[in-house]
Amino acid sequence: GDSVTQMEGPVTLSEEAFLTINCTYTATGYPSLFWYVQYPGEGLQLLLKATKADDKGSNKGFEATYRKETTSFHLEKGSVQVSDSAVYFCALPGSDGNKLVFGAGTILRVKS
Amino acid sequence: DAMVIQNPRYQVTQFGKPVTLSCSQTLNHNVMYWYQQKSSQAPKLLFHYYDKDFNNEADTPDNFQSRRPNTSFCFLDIRSPGLGDAAMYLCATSRDSGGTDTQYFGPGTRLTVL
Repeated sequence: GDSVTQMEGPVTLSEEAFLTINCTYTATGYPSLFWYVQYPGEGLQLLLKATKADDKGSNKGFEATYRKETTSFHLEKGSVQVSDSAVYFCALPGSDGNKLVFGAGTILRVKS
Repeated sequence: DAMVIQNPRYQVTQFGKPVTLSCSQTLNHNVMYWYQQKSSQAPKLLFHYYDKDFNNEADTPDNFQSRRPNTSFCFLDIRSPGLGDAAMYLCATSRDSGGTDTQYFGPGTRLTVL
Protein backbone atom coordinates (compact mmCIF):
# COMPACT_ATOMS: atom_id res chain seq x y z
CA GLY A 1 0.00 0.00 0.00
CA ASP A 2 0.88 3.66 -0.13
CA SER A 3 3.36 4.77 2.48
CA VAL A 4 5.70 7.60 3.44
CA THR A 5 9.04 7.30 5.20
CA GLN A 6 10.61 10.33 6.85
CA MET A 7 13.95 10.74 8.51
CA GLU A 8 13.77 10.32 12.24
CA GLY A 9 14.18 13.28 14.51
CA PRO A 10 14.55 15.28 16.44
CA VAL A 11 16.69 17.44 14.21
CA THR A 12 18.46 20.16 16.17
CA LEU A 13 20.04 23.06 14.29
CA SER A 14 21.47 26.45 15.07
CA GLU A 15 19.77 29.50 13.63
CA GLU A 16 20.75 30.19 9.98
CA ALA A 17 21.82 26.58 9.40
CA PHE A 18 20.77 24.64 6.29
CA LEU A 19 17.90 22.21 6.72
CA THR A 20 17.13 18.97 4.92
CA ILE A 21 14.39 16.59 6.01
CA ASN A 22 14.29 13.47 3.88
CA CYS A 23 11.04 11.97 2.64
CA THR A 24 10.57 8.97 0.39
CA TYR A 25 7.32 7.40 -0.66
CA THR A 26 5.78 4.24 -2.06
CA ALA A 27 2.71 4.69 -4.21
CA THR A 28 0.96 3.58 -7.34
CA GLY A 29 1.34 6.12 -10.09
CA TYR A 30 2.38 9.70 -9.40
CA PRO A 31 0.33 11.14 -6.58
CA SER A 32 0.45 14.70 -5.34
CA LEU A 33 2.92 15.17 -2.50
CA PHE A 34 2.57 17.47 0.47
CA TRP A 35 4.56 18.87 3.36
CA TYR A 36 2.53 19.93 6.39
CA VAL A 37 3.88 21.74 9.46
CA GLN A 38 2.50 21.54 12.98
CA TYR A 39 3.54 24.20 15.47
CA PRO A 40 3.30 23.35 19.18
CA GLY A 41 -0.29 22.96 20.33
CA GLU A 42 -1.76 23.69 16.91
CA GLY A 43 -3.29 21.87 13.97
CA LEU A 44 -1.52 21.13 10.71
CA GLN A 45 -0.86 23.77 8.10
CA LEU A 46 0.00 23.10 4.50
CA LEU A 47 3.58 24.21 3.92
CA LEU A 48 3.94 23.31 0.26
CA LYS A 49 2.88 20.77 -2.32
CA ALA A 50 3.76 19.41 -5.75
CA THR A 51 1.26 17.77 -8.05
CA LYS A 52 3.47 16.17 -10.67
CA ALA A 53 6.97 14.88 -11.23
CA ASP A 54 9.76 17.49 -11.32
CA ASP A 55 7.48 20.13 -9.80
CA LYS A 56 9.05 22.22 -7.09
CA GLY A 57 6.86 23.40 -4.25
CA SER A 58 8.01 26.41 -2.25
CA ASN A 59 6.76 28.58 0.59
CA LYS A 60 8.29 30.69 3.36
CA GLY A 61 11.81 29.82 2.17
CA PHE A 62 11.14 26.08 2.20
CA GLU A 63 11.41 24.05 -0.99
CA ALA A 64 10.82 20.47 -2.07
CA THR A 65 11.17 18.87 -5.50
CA TYR A 66 9.10 15.90 -6.63
CA ARG A 67 11.62 13.32 -7.83
CA LYS A 68 9.94 10.31 -9.38
CA GLU A 69 13.27 8.58 -10.15
CA THR A 70 14.15 8.38 -6.48
CA THR A 71 10.52 8.53 -5.19
CA SER A 72 11.55 11.38 -2.94
CA PHE A 73 10.26 14.76 -1.83
CA HIS A 74 12.94 16.13 0.49
CA LEU A 75 12.26 19.37 2.33
CA GLU A 76 14.99 22.03 2.35
CA LYS A 77 15.54 25.50 3.70
CA GLY A 78 18.67 27.52 3.29
CA SER A 79 18.61 29.35 6.62
CA VAL A 80 16.35 28.23 9.45
CA GLN A 81 14.96 30.48 12.17
CA VAL A 82 13.91 29.73 15.74
CA SER A 83 10.31 30.24 14.60
CA ASP A 84 10.66 27.23 12.26
CA SER A 85 10.74 24.91 15.27
CA ALA A 86 7.83 22.54 14.69
CA VAL A 87 6.93 19.05 13.54
CA TYR A 88 7.06 18.49 9.78
CA PHE A 89 4.95 15.82 8.08
CA CYS A 90 5.39 14.53 4.56
CA ALA A 91 2.14 13.16 3.09
CA LEU A 92 0.45 11.78 0.04
CA PRO A 93 -3.14 10.82 -0.77
CA GLY A 94 -4.14 7.25 0.00
CA SER A 95 -5.02 4.93 -2.84
CA ASP A 96 -8.70 5.83 -2.50
CA GLY A 97 -7.82 9.48 -2.96
CA ASN A 98 -9.44 10.52 0.28
CA LYS A 99 -7.30 10.23 3.33
CA LEU A 100 -3.81 11.60 3.62
CA VAL A 101 -1.12 9.08 4.39
CA PHE A 102 1.41 10.78 6.64
CA GLY A 103 4.97 10.03 7.49
CA ALA A 104 5.81 9.70 11.17
CA GLY A 105 6.77 13.37 11.40
CA THR A 106 10.13 14.97 12.06
CA ILE A 107 10.65 17.28 15.01
CA LEU A 108 12.80 20.30 14.17
CA ARG A 109 14.36 22.34 16.97
CA VAL A 110 16.23 25.51 16.09
CA LYS A 111 18.47 27.11 18.72
CA SER A 112 19.35 30.78 18.78
CA ASP B 1 -10.62 34.94 6.70
CA ALA B 2 -12.10 31.66 5.54
CA MET B 3 -11.13 28.97 7.94
CA VAL B 4 -11.76 25.77 9.83
CA ILE B 5 -12.85 26.29 13.42
CA GLN B 6 -12.90 23.70 16.16
CA ASN B 7 -14.58 23.95 19.53
CA PRO B 8 -13.64 23.55 22.22
CA ARG B 9 -9.84 23.70 21.97
CA TYR B 10 -9.53 21.65 25.14
CA GLN B 11 -12.06 19.13 26.41
CA VAL B 12 -11.90 17.13 29.60
CA THR B 13 -14.30 14.27 30.11
CA GLN B 14 -14.66 11.32 32.44
CA PHE B 15 -14.20 7.72 31.52
CA GLY B 16 -17.38 6.52 29.84
CA LYS B 17 -19.05 9.95 29.66
CA PRO B 18 -20.15 10.85 26.11
CA VAL B 19 -18.50 13.83 24.52
CA THR B 20 -19.09 15.80 21.32
CA LEU B 21 -16.49 17.80 19.45
CA SER B 22 -17.46 20.44 16.95
CA CYS B 23 -16.01 21.62 13.65
CA SER B 24 -17.23 24.38 11.37
CA GLN B 25 -15.89 25.75 8.12
CA THR B 26 -16.37 28.91 6.12
CA LEU B 27 -14.62 27.52 3.03
CA ASN B 28 -17.79 25.93 1.61
CA HIS B 29 -15.83 22.75 0.96
CA ASN B 30 -17.54 19.52 0.03
CA VAL B 31 -15.39 17.20 2.11
CA MET B 32 -14.89 17.20 5.87
CA TYR B 33 -12.55 14.84 7.71
CA TRP B 34 -11.90 13.80 11.29
CA TYR B 35 -8.41 12.68 12.27
CA GLN B 36 -7.13 11.37 15.58
CA GLN B 37 -3.58 12.27 16.54
CA LYS B 38 -2.00 10.66 19.57
CA SER B 39 1.09 12.08 21.18
CA SER B 40 4.16 12.08 18.91
CA GLN B 41 2.30 10.25 16.15
CA ALA B 42 0.99 11.12 12.73
CA PRO B 43 -2.71 11.91 12.33
CA LYS B 44 -4.93 8.93 11.57
CA LEU B 45 -8.14 9.31 9.60
CA LEU B 46 -11.29 8.20 11.43
CA PHE B 47 -13.89 9.05 8.78
CA HIS B 48 -14.92 11.67 6.29
CA TYR B 49 -18.01 13.11 4.65
CA TYR B 50 -18.28 13.92 1.00
CA ASP B 51 -21.25 16.24 1.14
CA LYS B 52 -23.80 14.08 3.02
CA ASP B 53 -22.13 10.76 2.20
CA PHE B 54 -20.42 9.27 5.23
CA ASN B 55 -17.24 7.18 4.75
CA ASN B 56 -15.91 5.26 7.71
CA GLU B 57 -12.37 3.91 7.86
CA ALA B 58 -12.35 0.15 8.33
CA ASP B 59 -10.43 0.28 11.60
CA THR B 60 -12.36 3.12 13.26
CA PRO B 61 -13.96 1.82 16.46
CA ASP B 62 -17.75 1.86 16.75
CA ASN B 63 -17.34 4.12 19.75
CA PHE B 64 -16.71 6.98 17.32
CA GLN B 65 -19.61 8.47 15.39
CA SER B 66 -20.04 11.56 13.29
CA ARG B 67 -22.80 13.87 12.09
CA ARG B 68 -22.85 16.49 9.39
CA PRO B 69 -26.13 18.39 9.60
CA ASN B 70 -25.18 20.88 6.90
CA THR B 71 -22.26 21.92 4.71
CA SER B 72 -20.66 24.06 7.38
CA PHE B 73 -20.73 21.86 10.46
CA CYS B 74 -19.47 18.43 11.38
CA PHE B 75 -19.49 16.77 14.79
CA LEU B 76 -17.47 13.96 16.30
CA ASP B 77 -19.28 11.97 18.99
CA ILE B 78 -17.40 9.62 21.29
CA ARG B 79 -20.05 7.49 22.96
CA SER B 80 -18.03 6.02 25.81
CA PRO B 81 -14.55 7.51 25.96
CA GLY B 82 -11.80 5.30 27.26
CA LEU B 83 -8.37 6.31 28.50
CA GLY B 84 -6.97 5.29 25.12
CA ASP B 85 -9.11 7.88 23.37
CA ALA B 86 -7.16 10.76 24.87
CA ALA B 87 -5.68 12.52 21.86
CA MET B 88 -5.78 15.58 19.66
CA TYR B 89 -8.74 15.48 17.28
CA LEU B 90 -8.24 17.34 14.04
CA CYS B 91 -10.93 18.41 11.64
CA ALA B 92 -9.98 19.10 8.04
CA THR B 93 -11.76 20.12 4.85
CA SER B 94 -11.07 19.95 1.16
CA ARG B 95 -12.96 21.27 -1.82
CA ASP B 96 -13.05 17.86 -3.40
CA SER B 97 -11.54 14.45 -2.89
CA GLY B 98 -9.35 12.66 -5.38
CA GLY B 99 -5.91 13.35 -4.07
CA THR B 100 -4.77 16.65 -5.53
CA ASP B 101 -6.87 18.94 -3.37
CA THR B 102 -5.26 20.43 -0.31
CA GLN B 103 -6.75 19.56 3.04
CA TYR B 104 -7.16 22.52 5.40
CA PHE B 105 -6.92 21.72 9.07
CA GLY B 106 -8.45 23.32 12.11
CA PRO B 107 -6.43 23.97 15.27
CA GLY B 108 -7.60 20.75 16.89
CA THR B 109 -9.36 19.78 20.11
CA ARG B 110 -7.22 18.18 22.77
CA LEU B 111 -9.28 15.58 24.62
CA THR B 112 -8.35 14.45 28.11
CA VAL B 113 -10.10 11.44 29.64
CA LEU B 114 -9.99 11.15 33.42
